Amino acid sequence: DAGITQSPRHKVTETGTPVTLRCHQTENHRYMYWYRQDPGHGLRLIHYSYGVKDTDKGEVSDGYSVSRSKTEDFLLTLESATSSQTSVYFCAIRPGLAGGPAKQYFGPGTRLTVT
Amino acid sequence: ILNVEQSPQSLHVQEGDSTNFTCSFPSSNFYALHWYRWETAKSPEALFVMTLNGDEKKKGRISATLNTKEGYSYLYIKGSQPEDSATYLCAFQGGSEKLVFGKGTKLTVNP
Repeated sequence: DAGITQSPRHKVTETGTPVTLRCHQTENHRYMYWYRQDPGHGLRLIHYSYGVKDTDKGEVSDGYSVSRSKTEDFLLTLESATSSQTSVYFCAIRPGLAGGPAKQYFGPGTRLTVT
Repeated sequence: ILNVEQSPQSLHVQEGDSTNFTCSFPSSNFYALHWYRWETAKSPEALFVMTLNGDEKKKGRISATLNTKEGYSYLYIKGSQPEDSATYLCAFQGGSEKLVFGKGTKLTVNP
């Protein structure tokens, strides 16, 4: 258990509504990541953070924004949800300092359905 | 766009069979290759991290090898058991803190 929680665990929302997913860690790790998992695509990186207020885009960042105002929380926001954003979202943390192998530990996932 | 390929996409074996699958990745700008095990309805769990050409890692009946010059890694499972049923993901790490995942190999071990 890497001390990672995600909330909510399940959410159904309508197209066009804003949605925020939360990832919380208890270990003060610097690096946090948001992935989405879709059939046939594996895990794809949306955004990641390398510190408070320090974030960068991943390969599928369009339509998503993130914020990290404190070390323990990394928020993923869908400004206006679309059906193509129906997915399972995983948060991950990477212990340790920069420059080594980036072994990641994953949260339990959030299943989001956009109708 | 960086390409990490895994084959086969899925695999069905009988209990007791040994099996292996492949991860192909860019041979340039290599830093590390990660293997994860992902059981249905759970989160991915790290199996191995390998950084050196020729690296071999072993955990019980599961082992992995790495060839960074030609850009591939093999994962082997000896004497497969039903509890080995999972999706096995590999992830390439280049010169950054980001991982690029393959699509996975889904292994089903029939009793």
